[in-house]
Amino acid sequence: DTAVSQTPKYLVTQMGNDKSIKCEQNLGHDTMYWYKQDSKKFLKIMFSYNNKELIINETVPNRFSPKSPDKAHLNLHINSLELGDSAVYFCASSQSGRGPQHFGDGTRLSIL
Amino acid sequence: QKEVEQNSGPLSVPEGAIASLNCTYSDRGSQSFFWYRQYSGKSPELIMFIYSNGDKEDGRFTAQLNKASQYVSLLIRDSQPSDSATYLCAVNEKGSSNTGKLIFGQGTTLQVKP
Repeated sequence: DTAVSQTPKYLVTQMGNDKSIKCEQNLGHDTMYWYKQDSKKFLKIMFSYNNKELIINETVPNRFSPKSPDKAHLNLHINSLELGDSAVYFCASSQSGRGPQHFGDGTRLSIL
Repeated sequence: QKEVEQNSGPLSVPEGAIASLNCTYSDRGSQSFFWYRQYSGKSPELIMFIYSNGDKEDGRFTAQLNKASQYVSLLIRDSQPSDSATYLCAVNEKGSSNTGKLIFGQGTTLQVKP
């Protein structure tokens, strides 16, 4: 069973479109995260939710909006996609903020 | 700006040797330290985590932490070609024990040659 699963794995779309990425974890963790890994492989946190409450909101364009319907799910909606949004987006989860974080397989977003 | 520094490499070692990967961090208040392995095109995979000064061993892997020097390292004994990957060091930001905010280094690419 996949512990942290993301859909879709690949997303190819045009500039200006709106898209969503979904994440689900079956580890029973209470904290979930969104990371962005750019072309230089630098991994940077974007958002974090603990029990459906937003606890980390980094300096990210407000075109990015996370939503957590319950502690096992975390979605990311992106409006008006731009070329610079091309990257791999990883979802992760942990038990509290101190526990090790486990990553999903990533969503590779390409903007044409 | 809190930073985590790693030598990007590549670090090349022969099969069977010990690979030593190093990481320094700027936030003196950091309390949790993690090593992830990332194969090309794959997701980061947790290898080790360490919270206290000293060494922590798990199979062929040993994590070493020196908070006074703000230094954390990962040793891989009996390196195998399958260990060839990018190794990411991650450090929690001071005061983030509830939020889990991690600062990642840029990663060190390890090449183990048969």
